[in-house]
Order: sequence, then structure tokens, then C-alpha cells
Amino acid sequence: EDQVTQSPEALRLQEGESSSLNCSYTVSGLRGLFWYRQDPGKGPEFLFTLYSAGEEKEKERLKATLTKKESFLHITAPKPEDSATYLCAVLKKGGSEKLVFGKGTKLTVNP
Amino acid sequence: DAGVIQSPRHEVTEMGQEVTLRCKPISGHNSLFWYRQTMMRGLELLIYFNNNVPIDDSGMPEDRFSAKMPNASFSTLKIQPSEPRDSAVYFCASSFVAGGPVEQFFGPGTRLTVL
Repeated sequence: EDQVTQSPEALRLQEGESSSLNCSYTVSGLRGLFWYRQDPGKGPEFLFTLYSAGEEKEKERLKATLTKKESFLHITAPKPEDSATYLCAVLKKGGSEKLVFGKGTKLTVNP
Repeated sequence: DAGVIQSPRHEVTEMGQEVTLRCKPISGHNSLFWYRQTMMRGLELLIYFNNNVPIDDSGMPEDRFSAKMPNASFSTLKIQPSEPRDSAVYFCASSFVAGGPVEQFFGPGTRLTVL
């Protein structure tokens, strides 16, 4: 069965303290891995898509990387406005557009 | 672009009542998705449509749930009769699928409370 596991469940950082979030996945053939950000009371907001192992993408203080079994979301010198829940999702080969989501990592950045 | 529009934003109803959630996807998108989010189970796909046709409804919990997409700009998710365990946030998302994997754009959600 396809599975996506995110760790840690919650992470508290001081402003400027860099860290990484992990997304481990088990899927029979990966078409794409997606990272979303979700603020309280809002829908998930798209951040990145990664397609193959070794790929990296960056946006401001965020960098996402992908291996054959996991993805990392690196946050460099975070600011309080980076506080949110970060969701990882996988799309598997086979034609279906069904995204399988992890339960997310709730990030809090204190000033 | 206004993004994905959902209504109502909040719904409180009593057990046994019918609930209808509405979604307007982003203009030009050809795929629409209904998700449910709870603390216990996270974000789960209920059903998705491509070109107004239901493609995968394997996530629909039971016969009490039904979804329709009468045209490219409107979809409904209906729960009849509703039960307390249906309490959750329901999201609608849309995308333009043309072969490769593409991101889905989410609406603001409908928070449903069944008493």
C-alpha cells in the first residue's frame, strides 16, 4: 500500500535556526513528489514538484530535495512567517491523478 | 484569477440532515478533486473528475456520500444523511492535467460540523 510518512510531527525553531523536514514514501513507481504549505484555516498552497531522484528546487529560504525513498525540505534561516504546516504528497505511476498525502509537519518559528 | 471557490465556508448541521458542499474550479482547469481533512487521518482524496467525468471514487467512504460535476465550472459533494463522524474540513482542488504530473490548486475549504 502506498504510504507517506512525515517527520517530525512538530518542530519548533528560533528565528535564523536552519533545519530540515523529512518525507519518506513507499510507492510503486513515482511520477512526482509535491510539497505544500498550509496555514491555519486555509487550503494547502503549492510549493514544489520533484520528479526524479537527485532533483533539487529552491524558493526563497526553502530547498526541496529528492532521493529514491525520501524527500527533504530544508529551511535556511527561517523567519516567523515561515510558521505553517508543511505537507508532502506523492503521485504514483499508472495514470491516476490521486495524490497521497502525509500528515504534515507543523513548523513554528519563534522570533 | 479568483482561485478555487468553495461554499459555504462553515456549515453546522444536525445528525441526519442533508449537507451540500459547492465548488467552482479555476477557469480552464479540466480536473477537480474533493478531499477531506481530519486530525486523525490527514488529507484524503474522496473523488476526482476529469472533463466532468468521475475517474476515481475509491475514497468515498460510503453510499451516504455522492458527488456531481454537471459542468466544467461547478461541482457538489452531498452527504445524506450526515453523521457526527463526517465532521471535518472538506477541500476542493483543481488542476489542468495534460499528461505529466501537475500541481493541484486548493480552495479555502468548508468546515463541517455535524452535531
